[in-house]
Amino acid sequence: GAGVSQSPSNKVTEKGKDVELRCDPISGHTALYWYRQSLGQGLEFLIYFQGNSAPDKSGLPSDRFSAERTGGSVSTLTIQRTQQEDSAVYLCASSLMQGASEQYFGPGTRLTVT
Amino acid sequence: TQLLEQSPQFLSIQEGENLTVYCNSSSVFSSLQWYRQEPGEGPVLLVTVVTGGEVKKLKRLTFQFGDARKDSSLHITAAQTGYTGLYLCAGTGNQFYFGTGTSLTVIP
Repeated sequence: GAGVSQSPSNKVTEKGKDVELRCDPISGHTALYWYRQSLGQGLEFLIYFQGNSAPDKSGLPSDRFSAERTGGSVSTLTIQRTQQEDSAVYLCASSLMQGASEQYFGPGTRLTVT
Repeated sequence: TQLLEQSPQFLSIQEGENLTVYCNSSSVFSSLQWYRQEPGEGPVLLVTVVTGGEVKKLKRLTFQFGDARKDSSLHITAAQTGYTGLYLCAGTGNQFYFGTGTSLTVIP
């Protein structure tokens, strides 16, 4: 079946603009994660959705970052008033459930803020 | 605060050499996973280890989970160029915690 997809693959935006990044998880996966990755670095956890539970937003770096997951499927990560330090690859992953389940990652969205 | 520290951060070796990557933490994890990431792609799971002291082998890769479930190692025997990539460990507790990453380059 189809894997995790993300769009757009690349996004260049001007400082101060808002951006929306989309993630389509694997059908049936109840858990969805957003991460941020700087070049060649590890993954920084941003937010986590599990079923209908309240999301774990503990990794969001500022109130400019928010995310939604509609109908337990598609998720959108929104960054308001983008700053140059927001430039990174944003990765989405889904898994069957929380915990030790394998996370399946999308290819990521490369965001560049000029 | 980075819960999982990987070492080395960068590693460049000749094809055919052996190497070991370490993933260390002061925290106990219920399980630990290793992922490999190639440029322009998301990480892909290599293995999950659950039991303290567990050893798993995947072709030329040997993974070990520490007895106290706080650390892990990845050993590659006679590395090939196809093993080039970013290796990430990830521990599961209340959340999913990724390590700092080890960038491996295998030179032909």
